[in-house]
Amino acid sequence: DTEVTQTPKHLVMGMTNKKSLKCEQHMGHRAMYWYKQKAKKPPELMFVYSYEKLSINESVPSRFSPECPNSSLLNLHLHALQPEDSALYLCASSTSGNTIYFGEGSWLTVV
Amino acid sequence: GDSVTQMEGPVTLSEEAFLTINCTYTATGYPSLFWYVQYPGEGLQLLLKATKADDKGSNKGFEATYRKETTSFHLEKGSVQVSDSAVYFCALSGNQGGKLIFGQGTELSVKP
Repeated sequence: DTEVTQTPKHLVMGMTNKKSLKCEQHMGHRAMYWYKQKAKKPPELMFVYSYEKLSINESVPSRFSPECPNSSLLNLHLHALQPEDSALYLCASSTSGNTIYFGEGSWLTVV
Repeated sequence: GDSVTQMEGPVTLSEEAFLTINCTYTATGYPSLFWYVQYPGEGLQLLLKATKADDKGSNKGFEATYRKETTSFHLEKGSVQVSDSAVYFCALSGNQGGKLIFGQGTELSVKP
């Protein structure tokens, strides 16, 4: 069973809305990730936080804004998204030993 | 740069058939290798992993052996079930700050 919890599971938002995706992990991991996945394609890395500091931003548009309030929580703030941003957003975490564990994902639809 | 190549899908098998999904990689150094499974409508689950040459990862009847000489990490299962229908991703983690490099995924469909 995954110990990475994501909410909400489904989100529908308009292009002018502001919403947030939330992620929590209970494994004491110090690295947390956001990935974006289109249907049946491999996940694409968006952001990496290491020890609560942003360490990797894969040139993601500024309409996606990550936040790491503490070592267990990771948020992804969404604003002025486009329909092509509709996807499954996966949160993940890992130890320094590099095994990455994923959550169940948040299905986002932009209308 | 590092890369992973998987056999193309979809793969369709009858229940109780033998499964092999090929995965080869290119990497500098000594990467860790992973298989993830994604069931319909769900997130990715870690299926198995191997962290050094000749290691065998196993879980739920699936196995894969880290073969450095052939740079391969093929996934096998002796007898598949309908419930194994999913997309399978091979991945590696090298010296890139914990980034996972994924293969393109292989969709498996098991028919009764």
